[in-house]
Amino acid sequence: EPEVTQTPSHQVTQMGQEVILRCVPISNHLYFYWYRQILGQKVEFLVSFYNNEISEKSEIFDDQFSVERPDGSNFTLKIRSTKLEDSAMYFCATRLSQETQYFGPGTRLLVL
Amino acid sequence: GEDVEQSLFLSVREGDSSVINCTYTDSSSTYLYWYKQEPGAGLQLLTYIFSNMDMKQDQRLTVLLNKKDKHLSLRIADTQTGDSAIYFCAEKAGGYQKVTFGTGTKLQVIP
Repeated sequence: EPEVTQTPSHQVTQMGQEVILRCVPISNHLYFYWYRQILGQKVEFLVSFYNNEISEKSEIFDDQFSVERPDGSNFTLKIRSTKLEDSAMYFCATRLSQETQYFGPGTRLLVL
Repeated sequence: GEDVEQSLFLSVREGDSSVINCTYTDSSSTYLYWYKQEPGAGLQLLTYIFSNMDMKQDQRLTVLLNKKDKHLSLRIADTQTGDSAIYFCAEKAGGYQKVTFGTGTKLQVIP
């Protein structure tokens, strides 16, 4: 069964550094998402992406965040200048049909 | 805004049925989901239900939806130790992209 994959599985970075989290969507999916889960908290929606543009974003997704699909396969989340509070598990999700989003295994980001 | 609430913990004996409950506030919810998260793993979609349905059964899983009370439940029949995980209730309103998750219920299955 096709799966969403994410790299790296873990990332440790210094505060103020830029990080790029990568996702490979399921091949025929057209809608892409990023969510995050701060330890012990709910999974929170960050952004959705369709047809090479952002279709919806939350208040968390400020100017420090950006998304792109640089090569038609990977879907990336960039955090320009990481803060301590960006430490979380970041999940990529993709969908083809209206009903269901399929999630990747996540990237655990630790900002020191 | 939208809110989804669940109890935090449930413990059952192997072979018993588990019932995980969820309440939500968004009356425009169109799709309601149950996801499973095992330790260190991602979110696995277990099942979903449309808001115009009141029940869906899929093997050992039964989803019940009471739209009037905005209450969703997941029943796992013949619970096994491999069912131990965190179960997330989630909802999505029609016309919106984001899925709103509950806090998750940690299911512990005692052998």
